[in-house]
Amino acid sequence: GDSVTQMEGPVTLSEEAFLTINCTYTATGYPSLFWYVQYPGEGLQLLLKATKADDKGSNKGFEATYRKETTSFHLEKGSVQVSDSAVYFCALSPSHNNAGNMLTFGGGTRLMVKP
Amino acid sequence: EAEVAQSPRYKITEKSQAVAFWCDPISGHATLYWYRQILGQGPELLVQFQDESVVDDSQLPKDRFSAERLKGVDSTLKIQPAELGDSAMYLCASSLVSGYTEAFFGQGTRLTVV
Repeated sequence: GDSVTQMEGPVTLSEEAFLTINCTYTATGYPSLFWYVQYPGEGLQLLLKATKADDKGSNKGFEATYRKETTSFHLEKGSVQVSDSAVYFCALSPSHNNAGNMLTFGGGTRLMVKP
Repeated sequence: EAEVAQSPRYKITEKSQAVAFWCDPISGHATLYWYRQILGQGPELLVQFQDESVVDDSQLPKDRFSAERLKGVDSTLKIQPAELGDSAMYLCASSLVSGYTEAFFGQGTRLTVV
């Protein structure tokens, strides 16, 4: 079945440092790929997405590129802020799901940014 | 801004008791999902509705869990009887039907079974 693997956290960075959170997936066909963010005590918010190979999703300074050849969708940000502290989830939606967009999530990576 | 509403935000219940969660999706969203998120893990799909019909409930423990969306709008997830291992965050999400569109999540219900 489909699966998503992300690097384990917590990831602790100083403000303005460069961020990379690795994500790889296993799926048949051409899934859509997503990054969601969860702030403490809150639900999940979509951060960015990519629906086909070589697409780059970007939002709020974060970006990720859909790499079909390496089955990866790594999240990057050039300069993190304290307000970026949260848990980040990589997820996929199978290409064969015609009834909606059921998501398979990775285990999440906690990011802590120190001032 | 439209959002997915869930209630209650927090629920503490004793083992073997019944518990229910409610979700009101964004107006016009035909697809509704219930996910369970155990602390420190990613969400896992329990059930997916398309209007009032169940599309996928393969991961729903049917001996104790039930879900309904009678009029194709709001939805209720029930656990009876609750077990200690059911302690988790229960997240509801909704999306439009056609093609791929973003799934919007509610704030969740944090369940603690004691």
